[in-house]
Order: sequence, then structure tokens, then C-alpha cells
Amino acid sequence: NAGVTQTPKFQVLKTGQSMTLQCAQDMNHEYMSWYRQDPGMGLRLIHYSVGAGITDQGEVPNGYNVSRSTTEDFPLRLLSAAPSQTSVYFCASRASMRWEDTQYFGPGTRLTVL
Amino acid sequence: SQKIEQNSEALNIQEGKTATLTCNYTNYSPAYLQWYRQDPGRGPVFLLLIRENEKEKRKERLKVTFDTTLKQSLFHITASQPADSATYLCALHRGSTLGRLYFGRGTQLTVWP
Repeated sequence: NAGVTQTPKFQVLKTGQSMTLQCAQDMNHEYMSWYRQDPGMGLRLIHYSVGAGITDQGEVPNGYNVSRSTTEDFPLRLLSAAPSQTSVYFCASRASMRWEDTQYFGPGTRLTVL
Repeated sequence: SQKIEQNSEALNIQEGKTATLTCNYTNYSPAYLQWYRQDPGRGPVFLLLIRENEKEKRKERLKVTFDTTLKQSLFHITASQPADSATYLCALHRGSTLGRLYFGRGTQLTVWP
């Protein structure tokens, strides 16, 4: 199993541009989520999904959209990038909504918005 | 909202010693507390989970304690090695199916030979 994969690994955008961060998992996990990690702060939840077709907002959802058309994929869309969205983005998955299930993180996407 | 503090940003210890990292929280008592390891440029890796009704959990050289009275978890690495050098994150959850995992900022551990 490849686990959780993310592309791209690095990305530079100009303010106002849009892009999609890709996330995929091959473990047939129900629960997937997106976090951002900023210096001096803990990981913060952006959006999450409890299954195909079901998504909800986390702590910092503004400026981001998600969809979950398949179990495997959970892309994160930035509609109009802003410098405040410069961060490292991690996708994570776990088998179910049970918090006792192990959560697996992807390798991250480092995004810079100029 | 929940607030989590990890004792210090950096901890330096000599190889062979026991490293002890602290995670303190405020507000509600979590149902679960988790510890992760994160290496530079990589995603966090799950290490251990401890439930509110458990006092201690062990896995090889790792030990986690959970004191709901002190609102604190301690993470110990015994016989530490340079390969244990990384940032360690604590995270907690209230236990409901909805809601989220709150992460601390992490403690960077350096084990020197």
C-alpha cells in the first residue's frame, strides 16, 4: 500500500490564482481530512469528510473548498489564493470516524503564495 | 475551545538518558490523547493513544501517562538514541464522533551522542 499520497510536494502561486491540492489513499478509509501547519502553531483542521459525498468544515475553512466523489480521493481547492494561505498542508485518513483508529498523514504540500 | 501547551519548544538530552515531554491542556478533559512523531519535511506519524480511563500506556521504549486531575500527559522515551531526534506532537479529542482533534505546537527533541 502507498498509504496517503499528496501532490504536488511544492507549489508557488501568485495572489488570486487558484489551484487544487491532491490527496489520495489506498486503504479504503472512510474518514479523510485536511490540516494546515504554520510555524509556532499546532496543526489546524480545514475540512474533513466521513465518506464519499459527505464533507464538513473544520476550524479554518475560509478560502478552501473540498469535495469527495470517491472513497480514495479528497482534493482541496484554493479558489483565490492569498498570502495568508502560505503554509504546509497535510492530508490525513483513518479507517472510520472512531478516534481510536490510527490516523495516517500524507507527506505534505508546501505552498507559498506571493 | 481547547488549549494545549507542550512544555518547551526544544529539549536536548544525551544519548541513553530518558526524555520526558509534557503536554498540558485546559478546558474540557479529553477522552483520548495521542502522540505523534514528525520528522523535518514529513507528515506526522502516529505513536500512541491513551484513553481517559487509562493511567499509563507502553510501547517498546515509549511510555505515556495521562493525569486528568493535573490535566497533563507525559511522554517518555527511555534509553534515547540520536534516531529519536524529531518533533513530537500531542493531540487530544473529546471522544464524540463529530468534533476535531486539537494539536499542540510540538516539542523538538534532539538526542546527542
